Amino acid sequence: DTAVSQTPKYLVTQMGNDKSIKCEQNLGHDTMYWYKQDSKKFLKIMFSYNNKELIINETVPNRFSPKSPDKAHLNLHINSLELGDSAVYFCASSPSGSYNEQFFGPGTRLTVL
Amino acid sequence: QKEVEQNSGPLSVPEGAIASLNCTYSDRVSQSFFWYRQYSGKSPELIMSIYSNGDKEDGRFTAQLNKASQYVSLLIRDSQPSDSATYLCAVNMFSGGYNKLIFGAGTRLAVHP
Repeated sequence: DTAVSQTPKYLVTQMGNDKSIKCEQNLGHDTMYWYKQDSKKFLKIMFSYNNKELIINETVPNRFSPKSPDKAHLNLHINSLELGDSAVYFCASSPSGSYNEQFFGPGTRLTVL
Repeated sequence: QKEVEQNSGPLSVPEGAIASLNCTYSDRVSQSFFWYRQYSGKSPELIMSIYSNGDKEDGRFTAQLNKASQYVSLLIRDSQPSDSATYLCAVNMFSGGYNKLIFGAGTRLAVHP
């Protein structure tokens, strides 16, 4: 199946812990994204990588660090988790070009206790 | 003014009716516009993209774009209970040298039998 996949699907952890979320796409796209969707369902971009290069870095605490080992993978590491980090995190990808049609992964629901 | 605005709803329509979802945006130079459908607990799914003024039809869905009025809409004909979901309007905006999608807060559609 061609798709954007994420692991894990659910993540429950204690405040102060460090956790990672992984994303992979086999669509051959050049650009990948991390989005955060909060409890009010508002979807906001956090980071974007194009061919392993960071191109968008929105106002996100530096406890969040993305890493792209190759253009098919984009991981998100979060240090010192806080209650406010609880949300659903979506990975997305898009092909090259100016239209920016994006396709989303299934999401990772992070709960910080 | 929010960059992308949608009425949060819920928009309630009877089965078989036309559902009309509206979206306005602030950036006059935006060139690409998208509608995503998001079922509860699932990821956003791209259902329509539109780049030129006028109408674009795909099955029961019609997207309408009016760049002069900075307005994009989605019509769903012969609405079915399975169409009940949150519909997110997304606008591609060029900022900081790169394209990024700005999402509206979504309109919740409820189709009742």
